[in-house]
Amino acid sequence: DGGITQSPKYLFRKEGQNVTLSCEQNLNHDAMYWYRQDPGQGLRLIYYSQIVNDFQKGDIAEGYSVSREKKESFPLTVTSAQKNPTAFYLCASTAAAGISNQPQHFGDGTRLSIL
Amino acid sequence: AQRVTQPEKLLSVFKGAPVELKCNYSYSGSPELFWYVQYSRQRLQLLLRHISRESIKGFTADLNKGETSFHLKKPFAQEEDSAMYYCALYSGSARQLTFGSGTQLTVLP
Repeated sequence: DGGITQSPKYLFRKEGQNVTLSCEQNLNHDAMYWYRQDPGQGLRLIYYSQIVNDFQKGDIAEGYSVSREKKESFPLTVTSAQKNPTAFYLCASTAAAGISNQPQHFGDGTRLSIL
Repeated sequence: AQRVTQPEKLLSVFKGAPVELKCNYSYSGSPELFWYVQYSRQRLQLLLRHISRESIKGFTADLNKGETSFHLKKPFAQEEDSAMYYCALYSGSARQLTFGSGTQLTVLP
Protein backbone atom coordinates (compact mmCIF):
# COMPACT_ATOMS: atom_id res chain seq x y z
CA ASP A 1 0.00 0.00 0.00
CA GLY A 2 1.76 3.15 -1.20
CA GLY A 3 1.83 6.29 0.82
CA ILE A 4 3.59 8.48 3.34
CA THR A 5 4.35 7.24 6.84
CA GLN A 6 5.07 9.64 9.64
CA SER A 7 6.26 8.47 13.01
CA PRO A 8 5.67 8.73 15.83
CA LYS A 9 2.08 9.92 15.95
CA TYR A 10 2.65 11.69 19.27
CA LEU A 11 5.94 12.99 20.59
CA PHE A 12 6.89 14.66 23.82
CA ARG A 13 10.01 16.68 24.33
CA LYS A 14 11.68 18.27 27.28
CA GLU A 15 12.83 21.82 26.90
CA GLY A 16 16.37 22.04 25.57
CA GLN A 17 16.21 18.74 23.72
CA ASN A 18 16.42 18.12 20.01
CA VAL A 19 13.89 15.71 18.56
CA THR A 20 13.61 14.10 15.13
CA LEU A 21 10.37 13.40 13.29
CA SER A 22 10.39 10.66 10.71
CA CYS A 23 8.81 10.81 7.24
CA GLU A 24 9.08 7.93 4.79
CA GLN A 25 7.38 7.55 1.40
CA ASN A 26 7.20 4.61 -0.99
CA LEU A 27 5.59 6.55 -3.82
CA ASN A 28 8.91 7.10 -5.60
CA HIS A 29 8.29 10.83 -5.35
CA ASP A 30 11.14 13.25 -5.94
CA ALA A 31 9.88 16.16 -3.86
CA MET A 32 9.13 16.14 -0.15
CA TYR A 33 7.87 18.84 2.21
CA TRP A 34 7.46 19.58 5.90
CA TYR A 35 4.63 21.78 7.15
CA ARG A 36 3.69 23.03 10.55
CA GLN A 37 0.01 23.34 11.39
CA ASP A 38 -1.18 25.62 14.19
CA PRO A 39 -4.79 26.41 15.05
CA GLY A 40 -6.09 29.26 12.95
CA GLN A 41 -2.93 29.52 10.87
CA GLY A 42 -3.25 26.79 8.29
CA LEU A 43 -0.15 25.04 7.03
CA ARG A 44 3.17 26.81 6.95
CA LEU A 45 6.13 25.44 5.02
CA ILE A 46 9.23 24.64 7.07
CA TYR A 47 11.55 22.97 4.57
CA TYR A 48 11.28 21.23 1.25
CA SER A 49 13.44 19.03 -0.89
CA GLN A 50 13.15 18.71 -4.64
CA ILE A 51 15.71 15.95 -5.01
CA VAL A 52 18.03 13.77 -2.97
CA ASN A 53 20.84 15.63 -1.19
CA ASP A 54 19.16 18.96 -1.79
CA PHE A 55 16.75 21.00 0.34
CA GLN A 56 15.56 24.60 0.74
CA LYS A 57 14.19 26.64 3.59
CA GLY A 58 10.51 27.41 3.64
CA ASP A 59 8.79 30.29 5.37
CA ILE A 60 9.52 29.24 8.97
CA ALA A 61 12.79 27.28 8.88
CA GLU A 62 14.38 28.83 11.96
CA GLY A 63 14.94 26.26 14.69
CA TYR A 64 14.53 23.31 12.33
CA SER A 65 16.89 21.19 10.26
CA VAL A 66 16.41 18.45 7.67
CA SER A 67 18.35 15.95 5.62
CA ARG A 68 17.59 14.11 2.40
CA GLU A 69 20.12 11.31 2.09
CA LYS A 70 17.64 8.91 0.54
CA LYS A 71 14.80 9.55 -1.88
CA GLU A 72 12.23 7.91 0.37
CA SER A 73 13.20 9.63 3.62
CA PHE A 74 13.03 13.26 4.77
CA PRO A 75 13.48 13.51 8.56
CA LEU A 76 12.84 16.78 10.36
CA THR A 77 14.79 17.75 13.48
CA VAL A 78 13.22 20.25 15.84
CA THR A 79 16.13 21.82 17.66
CA SER A 80 16.27 23.51 21.03
CA ALA A 81 16.51 26.79 19.14
CA GLN A 82 12.87 26.50 18.09
CA LYS A 83 11.10 28.74 20.59
CA ASN A 84 7.61 27.37 20.20
CA PRO A 85 7.81 23.80 18.93
CA THR A 86 4.44 22.57 20.17
CA ALA A 87 2.46 21.98 16.98
CA PHE A 88 1.16 19.43 14.51
CA TYR A 89 3.70 18.54 11.82
CA LEU A 90 2.72 17.28 8.39
CA CYS A 91 4.95 15.70 5.78
CA ALA A 92 3.99 15.70 2.11
CA SER A 93 5.41 14.61 -1.23
CA THR A 94 4.86 15.18 -4.93
CA ALA A 95 6.02 13.19 -7.90
CA ALA A 96 8.17 16.05 -9.14
CA ALA A 97 8.84 19.55 -7.95
CA GLY A 98 8.11 22.49 -10.17
CA ILE A 99 5.06 20.95 -11.78
CA SER A 100 2.06 22.70 -10.36
CA ASN A 101 -0.63 20.21 -11.21
CA GLN A 102 1.01 17.47 -9.18
CA PRO A 103 -1.11 16.95 -6.07
CA GLN A 104 0.64 16.82 -2.76
CA HIS A 105 0.22 13.57 -0.83
CA PHE A 106 0.17 13.98 2.94
CA GLY A 107 1.03 11.80 5.89
CA ASP A 108 -1.06 11.45 9.04
CA GLY A 109 1.08 13.90 10.95
CA THR A 110 3.02 14.00 14.21
CA ARG A 111 1.85 16.00 17.20
CA LEU A 112 4.77 17.38 19.18
CA SER A 113 4.30 18.63 22.72
CA ILE A 114 6.72 20.17 25.20
CA LEU A 115 6.80 18.74 28.69
CA ALA B 1 5.05 37.49 -1.60
CA GLN B 2 1.97 35.38 -2.14
CA ARG B 3 -0.84 35.18 0.36
CA VAL B 4 -4.05 33.17 0.66
CA THR B 5 -6.91 34.37 2.81
CA GLN B 6 -9.86 32.32 3.97
CA PRO B 7 -11.97 34.76 5.96
CA GLU B 8 -14.26 32.20 7.60
CA LYS B 9 -12.78 29.89 10.22
CA LEU B 10 -16.12 28.19 10.80
CA LEU B 11 -19.08 27.78 8.48
CA SER B 12 -22.32 25.95 9.20
CA VAL B 13 -25.09 25.21 6.73
CA PHE B 14 -28.09 22.91 6.69
CA LYS B 15 -28.22 19.81 4.56
CA GLY B 16 -29.50 20.65 1.08
CA ALA B 17 -28.55 24.31 1.31
CA PRO B 18 -25.98 25.91 -0.98
CA VAL B 19 -22.52 26.41 0.43
CA GLU B 20 -19.70 28.74 -0.56
CA LEU B 21 -16.27 28.72 1.05
CA LYS B 22 -14.39 31.90 0.33
CA CYS B 23 -10.79 32.16 -0.76
CA ASN B 24 -8.92 35.29 -1.82
CA TYR B 25 -5.32 35.46 -2.90
CA SER B 26 -2.57 37.92 -3.66
CA TYR B 27 0.12 36.96 -6.13
CA SER B 28 2.03 38.92 -8.72
CA GLY B 29 2.28 36.09 -11.25
CA SER B 30 -0.27 33.89 -12.96
CA PRO B 31 -1.99 32.02 -10.12
CA GLU B 32 -2.50 28.31 -9.88
CA LEU B 33 -5.01 27.46 -7.18
CA PHE B 34 -6.19 24.37 -5.38
CA TRP B 35 -8.64 23.25 -2.77
CA TYR B 36 -7.57 20.60 -0.27
CA VAL B 37 -9.92 18.84 2.15
CA GLN B 38 -9.42 16.97 5.40
CA TYR B 39 -12.28 14.78 6.58
CA SER B 40 -12.41 13.65 10.19
CA ARG B 41 -9.69 11.08 10.94
CA GLN B 42 -8.42 11.18 7.36
CA ARG B 43 -5.41 12.68 5.68
CA LEU B 44 -5.37 16.00 3.96
CA GLN B 45 -6.08 15.39 0.28
CA LEU B 46 -6.53 17.31 -2.93
CA LEU B 47 -10.15 18.15 -3.75
CA LEU B 48 -9.80 20.08 -6.97
CA ARG B 49 -7.52 22.37 -8.93
CA HIS B 50 -8.57 25.34 -11.02
CA ILE B 51 -6.52 24.31 -14.03
CA SER B 52 -8.66 21.21 -14.49
CA ARG B 53 -11.98 23.06 -14.32
CA GLU B 54 -13.45 19.95 -12.79
CA SER B 55 -16.32 19.20 -10.44
CA ILE B 56 -15.48 16.85 -7.60
CA LYS B 57 -18.14 15.55 -5.22
CA GLY B 58 -20.42 18.28 -6.55
CA PHE B 59 -17.96 21.05 -5.68
CA THR B 60 -16.75 23.60 -8.22
CA ALA B 61 -14.42 26.55 -7.95
CA ASP B 62 -13.93 29.32 -10.46
CA LEU B 63 -10.87 31.48 -10.62
CA ASN B 64 -11.82 35.15 -10.75
CA LYS B 65 -8.67 37.11 -11.53
CA GLY B 66 -10.46 40.43 -11.33
CA GLU B 67 -11.55 39.79 -7.76
CA THR B 68 -8.50 37.60 -6.99
CA SER B 69 -10.82 34.91 -5.66
CA PHE B 70 -11.21 31.16 -5.91
CA HIS B 71 -14.36 30.41 -3.95
CA LEU B 72 -15.50 26.80 -3.50
CA LYS B 73 -19.18 26.18 -4.14
CA LYS B 74 -21.70 23.39 -3.94
CA PRO B 75 -25.40 23.87 -4.69
CA PHE B 76 -26.71 21.29 -2.22
CA ALA B 77 -24.56 20.48 0.80
CA GLN B 78 -24.50 16.97 2.25
CA GLU B 79 -23.60 15.89 5.78
CA GLU B 80 -20.56 14.02 4.46
CA ASP B 81 -19.17 17.34 3.21
CA SER B 82 -18.38 18.30 6.80
CA ALA B 83 -14.62 18.75 6.89
CA MET B 84 -11.77 21.24 7.03
CA TYR B 85 -11.14 22.93 3.70
CA TYR B 86 -7.90 24.64 2.70
CA CYS B 87 -7.34 26.88 -0.27
CA ALA B 88 -3.78 26.83 -1.65
CA LEU B 89 -1.79 28.85 -4.17
CA TYR B 90 1.14 27.45 -6.12
CA SER B 91 4.12 29.69 -6.71
CA GLY B 92 6.09 28.64 -9.77
CA SER B 93 9.09 30.72 -8.82
CA ALA B 94 9.35 29.30 -5.33
CA ARG B 95 8.00 25.89 -6.32
CA GLN B 96 5.83 25.67 -3.25
CA LEU B 97 2.25 25.83 -2.09
CA THR B 98 0.97 28.57 0.18
CA PHE B 99 -2.04 27.50 2.21
CA GLY B 100 -4.84 29.54 3.69
CA SER B 101 -5.79 29.17 7.33
CA GLY B 102 -8.65 26.82 6.54
CA THR B 103 -12.44 26.79 6.96
CA GLN B 104 -14.18 24.18 9.07
CA LEU B 105 -17.45 23.35 7.32
CA THR B 106 -20.25 21.71 9.28
CA VAL B 107 -23.34 20.51 7.45
CA LEU B 108 -26.23 20.17 9.85
CA PRO B 109 -28.98 17.57 9.40
